[in-house]
Amino acid sequence: RKEVEQDPGPFNVPEGATVAFNCTYSNSASQSFFWYRQDCRKEPKLLMSVYSSGNEDGRFTAQLNRASQYISLLIRDSKLSDSATYLCAVTGMNTGFQKLVFGTGTRLLVSP
Amino acid sequence: EAQVTQNPRYLITVTGKKLTVTCSQNMNHEYMSWYRQDPGLGLRQIYYSMNVEVTDKGDVPEGYKVSRKEKRNFPLILESPSPNQTSLYFCASRLAGVGSGELFFGEGSRLTVL
Repeated sequence: RKEVEQDPGPFNVPEGATVAFNCTYSNSASQSFFWYRQDCRKEPKLLMSVYSSGNEDGRFTAQLNRASQYISLLIRDSKLSDSATYLCAVTGMNTGFQKLVFGTGTRLLVSP
Repeated sequence: EAQVTQNPRYLITVTGKKLTVTCSQNMNHEYMSWYRQDPGLGLRQIYYSMNVEVTDKGDVPEGYKVSRKEKRNFPLILESPSPNQTSLYFCASRLAGVGSGELFFGEGSRLTVL
């Protein structure tokens, strides 16, 4: 089983739609969780950290479910500019906080 | 401007010809890392460094070497490149310490080995 798993998509949604991605992780000792955004052929950039209490940044909401070992990303009112690949990343005690393990990414396509 | 700079950005080479991809960061980060990204496999860590003169293997270190003689630089060396090392490579850095998870990535180096 992969340490971090994501549905590769693509998710095709119209502008204005709400879309949600999940990411599961295998190690229950994992401590820190993140969502990164990667545009085509570009470097990944941090979108948001995921806290136990959940967090929101504008149209984006991230949540953590430790019991089921997954994190989620919700995008409301999708924009064309949201089209990208979304990578979840996990670090934790099992890796001595030294390694950020990435999922393979979920591709989002927002159409007019 | 805070950044991670990689060079070259694009390279086509032949099997067995040694090459070095340089990486430099100007954020005084202790931690630096190299990843390769391949379709369907995502980002996989090659090597990382917690500080000067401290390096360790990641998940896919075979065929690669690194060094960390200065805090800002972390070159990736392919002593004898092979076609299976054709990939998109990213250097990244962050502050050290628990929870310092935000990685800052370079723009990537696309390597083709013929």
